[in-house]
Amino acid sequence: RKEVEQDPGPFNVPEGATVAFNCTYSNSASQSFFWYRQDCRKEPKLLMSVYSSGNEDGRFTAQLNRASQYISLLIRDSKLSDSATYLCVVNNNAGGTSYGKLTFGQGTILTVHP
Amino acid sequence: DGGITQSPKYLFRKEGQNVTLSCEQNLNHDAMYWYRQDPGQGLRLIYYSQIVNDFQKGDIAEGYSVSREKKESFPLTVTSAQKNPTAFYLCASGISTYNEQFFGPGTRLTVL
Repeated sequence: RKEVEQDPGPFNVPEGATVAFNCTYSNSASQSFFWYRQDCRKEPKLLMSVYSSGNEDGRFTAQLNRASQYISLLIRDSKLSDSATYLCVVNNNAGGTSYGKLTFGQGTILTVHP
Repeated sequence: DGGITQSPKYLFRKEGQNVTLSCEQNLNHDAMYWYRQDPGQGLRLIYYSQIVNDFQKGDIAEGYSVSREKKESFPLTVTSAQKNPTAFYLCASGISTYNEQFFGPGTRLTVL
């Protein structure tokens, strides 16, 4: 089982639609969670951190379910500019050391069309 | 402006040559990282450094080397031992290895 697994998509939705992405992780001791977005041929950029209680930033809502080991990202009222690859990222303790290590999912491709 | 810089943006090298990619940050971050991304694939960790004068191998360290002599700088050398060096190389930094990471713009390396 992959450490972090995402549905690669692609998700193809019209403007204004609501779209949700899920991500599962294998290490129950994972400590922190993030969503990044990556535009074509660009670097990943932090979209939002994911907190246990769930958090919202404008049209974006992130949820964490520790019992089921999954993270979700909901995008409401999709815009053309939301078209990108969305990366689920999980931080684990690296091999029993005091170091953390971010593990990136493969990414989910979203295309928003007019 | 605070941020992470990588240079050059595009780099071409002949097979068998070593090449060093630059990564500098002025965010006062302790942790720095190097990733590689191949077309249509996710990020794979090459090396990371928790603090100055310390670094650890990531998942695909073979054929690469790094140094961390200064907090601001974490250069990556792609050696001739790396079998498939053509890729998009991304450097990142963070307050610590448990915090979110911020990425530089990347270097596209093509080995001819």
